Amino acid sequence: NAGVTQTPKFRILKIGQSMTLQCTQDMNHNYMYWYRQDPGMGLKLIYYSVGAGITDKGEVPNGYNVSRSTTEDFPLRLELAAPSQTSVYFCASSYSGERPTYEQYFGPGTRLTVT
Amino acid sequence: GNSVTQMEGPVTLSEEAFLTINCTYTATGYPSLFWYVQYPGEGLQLLLKATKADDKGSNKGFEATYRKETTSFHLEKGSVQVSDSAVYFCALGNQGGKLIFGQGTELSVKP
Repeated sequence: NAGVTQTPKFRILKIGQSMTLQCTQDMNHNYMYWYRQDPGMGLKLIYYSVGAGITDKGEVPNGYNVSRSTTEDFPLRLELAAPSQTSVYFCASSYSGERPTYEQYFGPGTRLTVT
Repeated sequence: GNSVTQMEGPVTLSEEAFLTINCTYTATGYPSLFWYVQYPGEGLQLLLKATKADDKGSNKGFEATYRKETTSFHLEKGSVQVSDSAVYFCALGNQGGKLIFGQGTELSVKP
């Protein structure tokens, strides 16, 4: 099992450019999440999904979009990059079935700089 | 609402010292509690967990006990190593599948 994988690892964007951060999990988890982590800070939830076709906003959704067409994939889209979106982005997944543990598994992160 | 409060860092210790990182929570119902660790340049890894009151989670010499009466889940290790230097996050999981994270505590262990 690869677990949760994210691409790319690093990216530099110019202001106004767009990009998609990819996230894939091979654990058949129904829940998936996107977080951002600013330097020296904790994690803030951007969007999450409870299953294919279902997404919902987290704490800081502005400037981002998501889709969930399959169980495995949960891409995060930045449409008009701004310097305030410079951060490290983490994708995570968890199983929430009959006996959920709420334990989340994290990817290695994408370090994004917007200049 | 649900919240998690951790002691502020950075915490600097000498090798083989005793470690305590305090974590308290506010929650409705009966949440699960977690400690995650983040090594430099990496993602978060689950360190240990407890799913009900009085449970003790343990892993790699770290321990934490779910104390409902004091709403706490303090992380302890008897003898830290340089390799334990990392950021530690306390988290709470409840209905809805989302985790609530504390702000993180940076630990630096000096040889």
